[in-house]
Amino acid sequence: NAGVTQTPKFQVLKTGQSMTLQCAQDMNHEYMSWYRQDPGMGLRLIHYSVGAGITDQGEVPNGYNVSRSTTEDFPLRLLSAAPSQTSVYFCASSLTVGHEQFFGPGTRLTVL
Amino acid sequence: SQQGEEDPQALSIQEGENATMNCSYKTSINNLQWYRQNSGRGLVHLILIRSNEREKHSGRLRVTLDTSKKSSSLLITASRAADTASYFCATDAGGYSTLTFGKGTMLLVSP
Repeated sequence: NAGVTQTPKFQVLKTGQSMTLQCAQDMNHEYMSWYRQDPGMGLRLIHYSVGAGITDQGEVPNGYNVSRSTTEDFPLRLLSAAPSQTSVYFCASSLTVGHEQFFGPGTRLTVL
Repeated sequence: SQQGEEDPQALSIQEGENATMNCSYKTSINNLQWYRQNSGRGLVHLILIRSNEREKHSGRLRVTLDTSKKSSSLLITASRAADTASYFCATDAGGYSTLTFGKGTMLLVSP
């Protein structure tokens, strides 16, 4: 099993550009989530999904969009990148909500 | 908003010593989890303790939970340089609520 995979590992964007961060898991997990990690802020939940076709907002959803058309994939879209979105983004999955989460290796995003 | 708050923010010890980190939270929980993050990597799950458990062990890790004080502690015994990492607690309030992470404790273990 590959576990949770994320692409790309690094990305530099200009303000106003859009992009999609990819996340996939091969563990047949119902629950998937996206976090951003900033220095001194811990992990903050952006969006999450409790199953294919079901998504909901987390603590910091503004400027991000998600969809979950399959159990395996949970892409995160930045609609119009802003410098405030410079961060490290982690995708995670678990069997269901509240269970042990498995994290991807992260995407380091810089918005100029 | 963060529910779990770790204490201390940073901890520096020598190899062989024990390291204790604490986590306090505000609302009732279903379970509490501890994660480790090595620099630049994703978080790795260490241990989960349910609200009806008081203590749990896994190798050199010992976790306690006091629901009356809304607090948990993580003890790493006989620390090694490889234990150098950030440690996060995460609380699950049950139902369809999501895990809430604290800001973490940075542990430095010097040889």
